[in-house]
Amino acid sequence: EPEVTQTPSHQVTQMGQEVILRCVPISNHLYFYWYRQILGQKVEFLVSFYNNEISEKSEIFDDQFSVERPDGSNFTLKIRSTKLEDSAMYFCASSEDFNYGYTFGSGTRLTVV
Amino acid sequence: AQSVAQPEDQVNVAEGNPLTVKCTYSVSGNPYLFWYVQYPNRGLQFLLKYITGDNLVKGSYGFEAEFNKSQTSFHLKKPSALVSDSALYFCAVRALTGFQKLVFGTGTRLLVSP
Repeated sequence: EPEVTQTPSHQVTQMGQEVILRCVPISNHLYFYWYRQILGQKVEFLVSFYNNEISEKSEIFDDQFSVERPDGSNFTLKIRSTKLEDSAMYFCASSEDFNYGYTFGSGTRLTVV
Repeated sequence: AQSVAQPEDQVNVAEGNPLTVKCTYSVSGNPYLFWYVQYPNRGLQFLLKYITGDNLVKGSYGFEAEFNKSQTSFHLKKPSALVSDSALYFCAVRALTGFQKLVFGTGTRLLVSP
């Protein structure tokens, strides 16, 4: 069964450093998403991406965040200057069409120290 | 705005007994509803979805969910719980605007005892 692949599985970074979280969505999917889950809390929407541009973003997705699909297969989330409160599990998801649901990756646990 | 409520932080059930994990939703128009499961240190795994059609939806691992429009509920059920079902369960509703982002509930931890 096709999977959404996320790397790395765990990343530790110093506060103020830039991080890039990587995702390889399912190849024929057209819609891409990033969600995050602060430990033990609800899963929150960050951003959706379609046709090479952001289609929707949440209040969390401020100027410190950016997304990119640089080469037609990878989908990346960049945090420019990490804060302690950015520590969370970040999930990438992709969807062919909403009728088919969403496939989530296994997540990247980001720890900011 | 769309929202989902999972009123129970934790549900405890003995192995072999039926289980129910509750979810209610609020949305304008027709809801598109989903259940996901999260095992420790793992991602979100799709269990089942309701788009249209039969109110009883069958999904993975023997789970099913019943859509009740009058009660705005989408409770997750399983006739006979397994210890391996112990996990965190999330109900989610698809927003009607935008590019189909999911709005998640706060999650319910299911603990199945032997």
